[in-house]
Amino acid sequence: QKEVEQDPGPLSVPEGAIVSLNCTYSNSAFQYFMWYRQYSRKGPELLMYTYSSGNKEDGRFTAQVDKSSKYISLFIRDSQPSDSATYLCAMSPPGNTGKLIFGQGTTLQVKP
Amino acid sequence: DVKVTQSSRYLVKRTGEKVFLECVQDMDHENMFWYRQDPGLGLRLIYFSYDVKMKEKGDIPEGYSVSREKKERFSLILESASTNQTSMYLCASIPRGAGDRRGYTFGSGTRLTVV
Repeated sequence: QKEVEQDPGPLSVPEGAIVSLNCTYSNSAFQYFMWYRQYSRKGPELLMYTYSSGNKEDGRFTAQVDKSSKYISLFIRDSQPSDSATYLCAMSPPGNTGKLIFGQGTTLQVKP
Repeated sequence: DVKVTQSSRYLVKRTGEKVFLECVQDMDHENMFWYRQDPGLGLRLIYFSYDVKMKEKGDIPEGYSVSREKKERFSLILESASTNQTSMYLCASIPRGAGDRRGYTFGSGTRLTVV
């Protein structure tokens, strides 16, 4: 079993839809939780990070962490065609090593 | 604008060749990483380095080695390229002590095809 599980999709939604992307994890010691966005033929870029359970909002994006269920989510409101990308969740093991464990990534397509 | 630069976007190499993938960062970061990205498998850590001349194996180091002679440069070496090393290779860096809140800065990737 992988430490971080993420449905690879693809996920296709109409413009304006609310998108929900999810990851589950098995290691309760994970400390930081991140979402990266990767456009085609580009490297991933950090979208959001969270530390504690709860919600964090940034414009149309909301990151949610539920440590008791070992479950994280990224919500995108009013999705736009420019949101079409692969979204990767990532988590950091304890020890501040800088290492991250990534999910497989979910490919999202927002259709105009 | 801070950058991680990977020297090649696309490479085609023959089986058995020795392949060098170069990564340079201009942010004075101590920590550098090499990942490979494959469909359905996500990013897998090959090697990382905490400082000049230091290296640590990641999860899939077999068939690879690395070199970090200068702080800004981290090279990935495929000793004898094989077809199962066809992949997207991503370099990343992060400052020491930043915690993981800062996240990595990634390069644009090198898509390597071994024929």
